[in-house]
Amino acid sequence: NAGVTQTPKFRVLKTGQSMTLLCAQDMNHEYMYWYRQDPGMGLRLIHYSVGEGTTAKGEVPDGYNVSRLKKQNFLLGLESAAPSQTSVYFCASSYGPGSGNTIYFGEGSWLTVV
Amino acid sequence: GNSVTQMEGPVTLSEEAFLTINCTYTATGYPSLFWYVQYPGEGLQLLLKATKADDKGSNKGFEATYRKETTSFHLEKGSVQVSDSAVYFCALSDRVTSYDKVIFGPGTSLSVIP
Repeated sequence: NAGVTQTPKFRVLKTGQSMTLLCAQDMNHEYMYWYRQDPGMGLRLIHYSVGEGTTAKGEVPDGYNVSRLKKQNFLLGLESAAPSQTSVYFCASSYGPGSGNTIYFGEGSWLTVV
Repeated sequence: GNSVTQMEGPVTLSEEAFLTINCTYTATGYPSLFWYVQYPGEGLQLLLKATKADDKGSNKGFEATYRKETTSFHLEKGSVQVSDSAVYFCALSDRVTSYDKVIFGPGTSLSVIP
């Protein structure tokens, strides 16, 4: 019962460095998402994907890129990390559109940019 | 636009106390409503949901009723336990084109003391 798995769980970056967060789901979900969670701001959607080979921008896409080359994987990239990107990042997935759609979350990736 | 408002807390209760966490929403159309829970160091997980007016979602002793007339989805539990200490997020899902856009509230931190 792996569900949604994210790696790495913790990472410290220097300003300007790049990195990729990996997300994998084993539930054959069509939709995948990347959120960031910051104190007092709840969860904000960065990018999402409605199927293999597709991506779309969410609320706060600037400074991030994503790719969905395989249905089960959704990668989040930071090309040039900034301190404002210090956050907890959550990957999530769901079956697709429809009333009452449940989203399944990974355990989070804590990123610090110094 | 759509939005979710909830009491931010933190809320501190003694074990066996009654819990209410208020949640109100603004939405066009007929959204689905959710409560997600986040335990320390973990991702969010679905606690309960309701997909239409007057529906009651329930799970693990928690309940919430979808009230369209007051645009509310308050979370209640009759007797909280220490293990209920977590952050609770109210959320709504409002279908936009082909994507069920989910909007999260800022979260309410609950601490239950013995």
